[in-house]
Amino acid sequence: SQTIHQWPATLVQPVGSPLSLECTVEGTSNPNLYWYRQAAGRGLQLLFYSVGIGQISSEVPQNLSASRPQDRQFILSSKKLLLSDSGFYLCAWNPTGPYGYTFGSGTRLTVV
Amino acid sequence: TQLLEQSPQFLSIQEGENLTVYCNSSSVFSSLQWYRQEPGEGPVLLVTVVTGGEVKKLKRLTFQFGDARKDSSLHITAAQPGDTGLYLCAGPNYGGSQGNLIFGKGTKLSVKP
Repeated sequence: SQTIHQWPATLVQPVGSPLSLECTVEGTSNPNLYWYRQAAGRGLQLLFYSVGIGQISSEVPQNLSASRPQDRQFILSSKKLLLSDSGFYLCAWNPTGPYGYTFGSGTRLTVV
Repeated sequence: TQLLEQSPQFLSIQEGENLTVYCNSSSVFSSLQWYRQEPGEGPVLLVTVVTGGEVKKLKRLTFQFGDARKDSSLHITAAQPGDTGLYLCAGPNYGGSQGNLIFGKGTKLSVKP
């Protein structure tokens, strides 16, 4: 079966510290992968998407970066966190086309 | 720019009541999706509607896609506390890569016992 794993579930980090969030998918190959951020339990903002290894597209200029070192692994990073990076980060994948995402369980990031 | 506007933003009702939430756009979408998200969890796909005028039922939930494919509605019959959550609609982002979706800001539903 196809599953998506995202960790950690919660993270509290000081301003200026680095960040690494990891997302892995099982049971599929060459998935489209996405990182979204959700502020205050509301709408989702697309941050990055990837259609293959090493292929990253950024939707919003910001303090974050993404990498896809393996087919089923997607990593969200920052060298120095800002207070404004706080939020709920969601990884998602879809098989082909716009017919539904499967989301990970999310990471609640609080920058203090 | 494609936008999906959802209304109402918040809805608080008693168990057993019926409700309808809406997802509207000035753009035509080839499909629309509805998700439900519980606090601290990722959204879960409920349904995808692809044909104008289409109606899909999922137990007590009825989803409708507008004839012009610019809007959709979700009707819940006899709401239960387990229906509590954030309901999001989403559609293809034609300006983005294949598979990109744009999301509305959601309707936060609270069903009180």
